[in-house]
Amino acid sequence: GAVVSQHPSWVICKSGTSVKIECRSLDFQATTMFWYRQFPKQSLMLMATSNEGSKATYEQGVEKDKFLINHASLTLSTLTVTSAHPEDSSFYICSARDGTGGYGYTFGSGTRLTVV
Amino acid sequence: DAKTTQPNSMESNEEEPVHLPCNHSTISGTDYIHWYRQLPSQGPEYVIHGLTSNVNNRMASLAIAEDRKSSTLILHRATLRDAAVYYCILSFGGSQGNLIFGKGTKLSVKP
Repeated sequence: GAVVSQHPSWVICKSGTSVKIECRSLDFQATTMFWYRQFPKQSLMLMATSNEGSKATYEQGVEKDKFLINHASLTLSTLTVTSAHPEDSSFYICSARDGTGGYGYTFGSGTRLTVV
Repeated sequence: DAKTTQPNSMESNEEEPVHLPCNHSTISGTDYIHWYRQLPSQGPEYVIHGLTSNVNNRMASLAIAEDRKSSTLILHRATLRDAAVYYCILSFGGSQGNLIFGKGTKLSVKP
């Protein structure tokens, strides 16, 4: 079945630094990828939707200059948290949609970001 | 986006069937019903999806009400590995619409 690899699985960074999270579709072409954020004991919150080769569409309240999304190829999307602060600590999850038309929302295993 | 309502939590005994309800009274004609589940510190896992007819797969069954305002996810024999948060989600505009997660139901399975 479809597999989405998300890396790293966890990361600790200092306040003010930037962190990049990668999301790769391993065996299918993902024309659309989604980025979610999940705080403890809460549900997933959609942050942005990215289509290959286009600028990402951000949900209301999500700062596009802080959460930079790049979807330069059909198999790779990256989320960069710039100038991270402790309140950005969260579980970040990507999802990729199969572009061949079949049903396909495959989620990555998530990245636990801790900003100290 | 149409919203869903699920119980916050449910309990089940191992080896018994589990019926997880979901209300979606504002569903539109093109909204698909998706079910995902999430284990702690993991990404969501696909369970099943459907539009109007009941659906079966190796993991579960999805029973959709005739008026489509509610649906039920059925796990035929719960195992300890089925303990997770189950999300009922409507995708706007067909099966390819964005998935907006609600609060989900936390299922506990007792041995």
